[in-house]
Amino acid sequence: DAKTTQPTSMDCAEGRAANLPCNHSTISGNEYVYWYRQIHSQGPQYIIHGLKNNETNEMASLIITEDRKSSTLILPHATLRDTAVYYCIVRAGRVAYKLSFGAGTTVTVRA
Amino acid sequence: ETGVTQSPTHLIKTRGQQVTLRCSSQSGHNTVSWYQQALGQGPQFIFQYYREEENGRGNFPPRFSGLQFPNYSSELNVNALELDDSALYLCASSLEDRSYEQYFGPGTRLTVT
Repeated sequence: DAKTTQPTSMDCAEGRAANLPCNHSTISGNEYVYWYRQIHSQGPQYIIHGLKNNETNEMASLIITEDRKSSTLILPHATLRDTAVYYCIVRAGRVAYKLSFGAGTTVTVRA
Repeated sequence: ETGVTQSPTHLIKTRGQQVTLRCSSQSGHNTVSWYQQALGQGPQFIFQYYREEENGRGNFPPRFSGLQFPNYSSELNVNALELDDSALYLCASSLEDRSYEQYFGPGTRLTVT
């Protein structure tokens, strides 16, 4: 599976959009981009995934560049409860087992 | 709908002992995966079970073993505990046709002294 690079940490103001970047320059054609997050003292939570088209669900939007070498997770209106570690994972296929979690981005939403 | 549950919440063991951790998957989920998360790191995949058979394994030694039962609940067994086995052990389950969405339990915190 392709390796991903994410910033170590970022701050965001409550009510504003949070844009979380992820670099996956070695991604292959059959590899999907998955985003999970882990709130303190909880297990990871699925957010969204995509192959090449932009995706949106009730939690977030995923923007994947045309060359698929990077993507951005957008939390449209960040709340204090969105404070968490966000993981960008690249994996072949839509079967999301054997996920390889890196260090992720620690996002702190401030009032 | 009941989510993924794990027991016990916390556990303290001595080096060399054996431990069994338990996981009840979300209703209807027939795949279960186990992950180990050391402090300050992301979860690392241990293995997955599908219909009671091991279906993929990460880079963990054979002293890490598991079982899945007909009701899809699962156990993780670790023999000959080492100090480095101290970690949060997470269980995740999913539906066969929505396997991109793994539902994680809250984990079991294992401390080996």
